[in-house]
Amino acid sequence: DTEVTQTPKHLVMGMTNKKSLKCEQHMGHRAMYWYKQKAKKPPELMFVYSYEKLSINESVPSRFSPECPNSSLLNLHLHALQPEDSALYLCASSPDPRGRGYEQYFGPGTRLTVT
Amino acid sequence: GESVGLHLPTLSVQEGDNSIINCAYSNSASDYFIWYKQESGKGPQFIIDIRSNMDKRQGQRVTVLLNKTVKHLSLQIAATQPGDSAVYFCAEKSTVTDKLIFGTGTRLQVFP
Repeated sequence: DTEVTQTPKHLVMGMTNKKSLKCEQHMGHRAMYWYKQKAKKPPELMFVYSYEKLSINESVPSRFSPECPNSSLLNLHLHALQPEDSALYLCASSPDPRGRGYEQYFGPGTRLTVT
Repeated sequence: GESVGLHLPTLSVQEGDNSIINCAYSNSASDYFIWYKQESGKGPQFIIDIRSNMDKRQGQRVTVLLNKTVKHLSLQIAATQPGDSAVYFCAEKSTVTDKLIFGTGTRLQVFP
């Protein structure tokens, strides 16, 4: 298995809803990432998990809450989002952030619309 | 109409021609560089990478060139095909952090 999977593909939620995005990889990678991508812009890093511990939080608002239950899974819990949070949310993984395998492999993303 | 800041640089090439996509990076401490291809509605797809101790690396139909003196990176695609149409991002990684910093992206359009 050489891919990163994300569910759901599309999500529409109201500003008072609570939802979660899920990401999974079975490549044995020990670093996992959440990115946010707006239209025609590059991905922007949100969070990094290294060996299942949060290592980087790019000053993301607390309405986004990441969770790494195990080395294969990464969740992003969403609560009280704003319409400007509508974007493509990308998950990525890499073999070992401190080793030679620096390449990050991306999932297909979840297209989130906040109404 | 279009808004300022929402317009991606675009490279239009004829099918069969070679394409060259350029990228300037900012951090002289970056030691690793990647090119990604992103098709509409999909996540970025890894194309090729290069470390700072190299100045050229070749893959299948693609070549990456690194000029550390002027902090410039380029991606060359040989015999460009319609399936190469996408947005291409360069990314740099520092020795200090785990962060991958993406460039602004270039849209490649291939016409017959």
